Amino acid sequence: AQSVTQLDSQVPVFEEAPVELRCNYSSSVSVYLFWYVQYPNQGLQLLLKYLSGSTLVKGINGFEAEFNKSQTSFHLRKPSVHISDTAEYFCAGGYSSASKIIFGSGTRLSIRP
Amino acid sequence: DGGITQSPKYLFRKEGQNVTLSCEQNLNHDAMYWYRQDPGQGLRLIYYSQIVNDFQKGDIAEGYSVSREKKESFPLTVTSAQKNPTAFYLCASSIDAAGGGTGELFFGEGSRLTVL
Repeated sequence: AQSVTQLDSQVPVFEEAPVELRCNYSSSVSVYLFWYVQYPNQGLQLLLKYLSGSTLVKGINGFEAEFNKSQTSFHLRKPSVHISDTAEYFCAGGYSSASKIIFGSGTRLSIRP
Repeated sequence: DGGITQSPKYLFRKEGQNVTLSCEQNLNHDAMYWYRQDPGQGLRLIYYSQIVNDFQKGDIAEGYSVSREKKESFPLTVTSAQKNPTAFYLCASSIDAAGGGTGELFFGEGSRLTVL
């Protein structure tokens, strides 16, 4: 069965420090990967997506992610975080055989001043 | 502005009552979804619909019902059979009605249901 795993439930970092949020997916011939962000008591909004092509994907708010097929990973990175990046981040995968998006359990990013 | 509107944002229910959460979209998307969110568990799919008058059960459909009479509307009813209904409910839509999940999901702002 397809799955998406986020390895860290919480990640605390200091403001202006770099951050990496980890995501691994189950391998498939065809997979599409997404990162969503959720601010408190709101819905999710798309940060970035990988469908095909370049393995380095740039998204909104200075975030980027790299698709690594050999390691089945799609980690999210930002070189310098801001207080406003405090939110929960979800990795998600779309599999042709599943006909639906599968979400990871989320990573709560907390920024310390 | 195009988007997804969920209502109400907050809802309180007594045990044994059915409640219906509204979800309307003006994005002209074929596919619509309902997710349940609990702390530490991510999003779990309740029901989804790829076309009008058709819908499929997701991973946790027991105690819930839906209808899709119009393309823009996908209401969710939380019935009294749902044993633990207190949660945050999210409605979403996508252009992609075919199998494949290639499309981006667009989410509403969510509805928080609390059972008293």
